[in-house]
Amino acid sequence: GQQVMQIPQYQHVQEGEDFTTYCNSSTTLSNIQWYKQRPGGHPVFLIQLVKSGEVKKQKRLTFQFGEAKKNSSLHITATQTTDVGTYFCAGGRTSYDKVIFGPGTSLSVIP
Amino acid sequence: DVKVTQSSRYLVKRTGEKVFLECVQDMDHENMFWYRQDPGLGLRLIYFSYDVKMKEKGDIPEGYSVSREKKERFSLILESASTNQTSMYLCASSLGVTGVSYEQYFGPGTRLTVT
Repeated sequence: GQQVMQIPQYQHVQEGEDFTTYCNSSTTLSNIQWYKQRPGGHPVFLIQLVKSGEVKKQKRLTFQFGEAKKNSSLHITATQTTDVGTYFCAGGRTSYDKVIFGPGTSLSVIP
Repeated sequence: DVKVTQSSRYLVKRTGEKVFLECVQDMDHENMFWYRQDPGLGLRLIYFSYDVKMKEKGDIPEGYSVSREKKERFSLILESASTNQTSMYLCASSLGVTGVSYEQYFGPGTRLTVT
């Protein structure tokens, strides 16, 4: 069946360093969503990408959707302690709003 | 603000018990979802519903059933709880337009322990 993978599983960075997580699907996606889950919290929607090659920015966060719509990335510039959490990508399927979540990348930021 | 609430934050049940997890959303969303979250596995879809009384199996429906009698409420039922159903259960809702994905709003989660 369709799978969505993410790497790395864990990432520890010094505050101020950059961070990137990668999301890959075994099949072409209709869209990609990104969510952030703080420790002890629930996933919160960050952004959705729909178009091939699309790039969107939210302050220090840059999201990219691959040309083939099978991969995506989230890049954080100059990480801060508030960036700590697990970042999930979720690949959209074609009907009824279902998405498949990747296993997530857990980010730790060392002050 | 969309609010998704779940009936319990923590629940401890015994093997073989019937367990009900309730979820309510207040934004008139068509779609509702039940996921379980386990370390290293992300969120796995158990069931979802795109309308009242309508449901579809997700990726891991075995051992679970659901009920949606009213638009705002989506219940997850464990007919006979087993220890491998110990997990964090997350409910979510979203607008529903066929062929279009909308952001999902999650509830706070229920951590279920089956002993």
